[in-house]
Amino acid sequence: KAGVTQTPRYLIKTRGQQVTLSCSPISGHRSVSWYQQTPGQGLQFLFEYFSETQRNKGNFPGRFSGRQFSNSRSEMNVSTLELGDSALYLCASSLEWGRNTQYFGPGTRLTVL
Amino acid sequence: AQKITQTQPGMFVQEKEAVTLDCTYDTSDQSYGLFWYKQPSSGEMIFLIYQGSYDEQNATEGRYSLNFQKARKSANLVISASQLGDSAMYFCAMREGISSGSARQLTFGSGTQLTVLP
Repeated sequence: KAGVTQTPRYLIKTRGQQVTLSCSPISGHRSVSWYQQTPGQGLQFLFEYFSETQRNKGNFPGRFSGRQFSNSRSEMNVSTLELGDSALYLCASSLEWGRNTQYFGPGTRLTVL
Repeated sequence: AQKITQTQPGMFVQEKEAVTLDCTYDTSDQSYGLFWYKQPSSGEMIFLIYQGSYDEQNATEGRYSLNFQKARKSANLVISASQLGDSAMYFCAMREGISSGSARQLTFGSGTQLTVLP
């Protein structure tokens, strides 16, 4: 079974631009979560979706948004990019929402210049 | 307060020896899950082992075992017979409310960088 896939793997943007990252979960998985990882802040939770509904949301500004489609694929969008948004963005999928293990994708490395 | 605390920023272990990575957690929930992930330098997070708060036995997965001490709120990862490929960052994580129908987010500790020496 294919793992979680994330596209693109690398991205370079400039301040003020916006970016959309994509995540395809493991086949059959219906829950998707997003995390931001930076050397200074570590792993921080962004949001979690299940059945196209946002179930949990982390403490990030409104510039960060996400959605989940009926096929469980998910996208996250960051508008008006700031230098501090440079990070590894990790997507994880799980079978259902709640107790199931989350399996991570390879991440998208975003660099904001 | 930190929900997950990993007090060892870095650890060294000799190849073929066992190593314990510490993790303590803070929760008032009765129903929660504890996870360990490994992150090599490539960046991908790899799931290693899971322990539910109601599980009576300590979880084991191959060379990985979880030393779960509920009263002390600790969930240490034990890696037996270390291999060079075990060199990576290891994260402990917790998810609260897993049986309540309102599971909260997965929260990670700051990680422990393990280096296996030949």
